[in-house]
Amino acid sequence: KAGVTQTPRYLIKTRGQQVTLSCSPISGHRSVSWYQQTPGQGLQFLFEYFSETQRNKGNFPGRFSGRQFSNSRSEMNVSTLELGDSALYLCASSLVTGFMGMHEQYFGPGTRLTVT
Amino acid sequence: DAKTTQPPSMDCAEGRAANLPCNHSTISGNEYVYWYRQIHSQGPQYIIHGLKNNETNEMASLIITEDRKSSTLILPHATLRDTAVYYCIVRVDSGGSNYKLTFGKGTLLTVNP
Repeated sequence: KAGVTQTPRYLIKTRGQQVTLSCSPISGHRSVSWYQQTPGQGLQFLFEYFSETQRNKGNFPGRFSGRQFSNSRSEMNVSTLELGDSALYLCASSLVTGFMGMHEQYFGPGTRLTVT
Repeated sequence: DAKTTQPPSMDCAEGRAANLPCNHSTISGNEYVYWYRQIHSQGPQYIIHGLKNNETNEMASLIITEDRKSSTLILPHATLRDTAVYYCIVRVDSGGSNYKLTFGKGTLLTVNP
């Protein structure tokens, strides 16, 4: 069974631009969670989607948004990019959401976003 | 909000037990403690979780103090492949499928031959 895939793997953008990252979950998984990882802040939870609905959201500004499609693929969008948005963006999929989902999460390799 | 504190780095000799501490002194009754690890250039990997009782699985043991203000992840026989950053995470369930996650900054465990 294929793992979680993320595209693109690397991306360079300039301040003020917007970016869209994609995540394809493991087949059959309906939950997709997004995380941001930076050297300064470490891992931070962005949001989780399940059955095309946002179920949970971390403490990030409205510039960070996402959506999930009927095939469970998810996209994350960041508008008006800032230098501080440079990070590794990870997505994780699981069969179910909530309590039962966290210990069954499988992570993708991440998208490395650099904002110049 | 719950806060988690972890030492930034630890060393362990191969074959010995690795004990990784996490302080979560502001934890309350319905907050779970999760541990993940991240091997260099890979995504995080779930290890174990618990609420009040000690837990053990094929990867590790989790010891939670009686007051739940701290926990220790134990890798009983560390190998070189256990070299990774270990994250302690507190999860607060707020009803239904809603929850909030608080991540520690992680401990870089280096297992030495």
